[in-house]
Amino acid sequence: AQSVTQLGSHVSVSEGALVLLRCNYSSSVPPYLFWYVQYPNQGLQLLLKYTTGATLVKGINGFEAEFKKSETSFHLTKPSAHMSDAAEYFCAVSGNTGRRALTFGSGTRLQVQP
Amino acid sequence: NAGVMQNPRHLVRRRGQEARLRCSPMKGHSHVYWYRQLPEEGLKFMVYLQKENIIDESGMPKERFSAEFPKEGPSILRIQQVVRGDSAAYFCASSTGQTNEKLFFGSGTQLSVL
Repeated sequence: AQSVTQLGSHVSVSEGALVLLRCNYSSSVPPYLFWYVQYPNQGLQLLLKYTTGATLVKGINGFEAEFKKSETSFHLTKPSAHMSDAAEYFCAVSGNTGRRALTFGSGTRLQVQP
Repeated sequence: NAGVMQNPRHLVRRRGQEARLRCSPMKGHSHVYWYRQLPEEGLKFMVYLQKENIIDESGMPKERFSAEFPKEGPSILRIQQVVRGDSAAYFCASSTGQTNEKLFFGSGTQLSVL
């Protein structure tokens, strides 16, 4: 069984400030972890994913995330927020065997203030 | 190379009517996933299909919902006798089927039940 918890349904930062979106997961098998972004009235776009290997993963648009097994976390960060980063962000997990469907967190809406 | 195409973009139905949602996967993709997104919530897995086969329907409601992915043509998510609680955004994603490969999402169908 797998689950994802995203702490903070809404996060507001100033333009240029650090972005930190939190994600904790539980999984009975080694997890594959994903961050997706959803802009209004659009589908989800993959930002980055962790499968195996290096635990610090770099994605598109300057985002990165670090897999910390001991903390069961996969937090998403970006050093400097841009207005265009305002969107809904979803963390997701799947197992490396068996069921392939993703289990999503409830999402975090990021607001960027000028 | 067109992405995942979903239609209609918006669908309005009265209680008791049937809703049919269509999803054409990306070219070369033979695996389709359906997700439902309720307001202010994350995406919930519904069903995973390959051509002519349902692989995992553990997220499908037991009644009124069905899905198919025929040899030819799009995948169809069918909801019979819709109720107001079925109002949601329904997203389709596709992949080639390799384990935990990136999923490509469509823009979704917004179903409104009056």
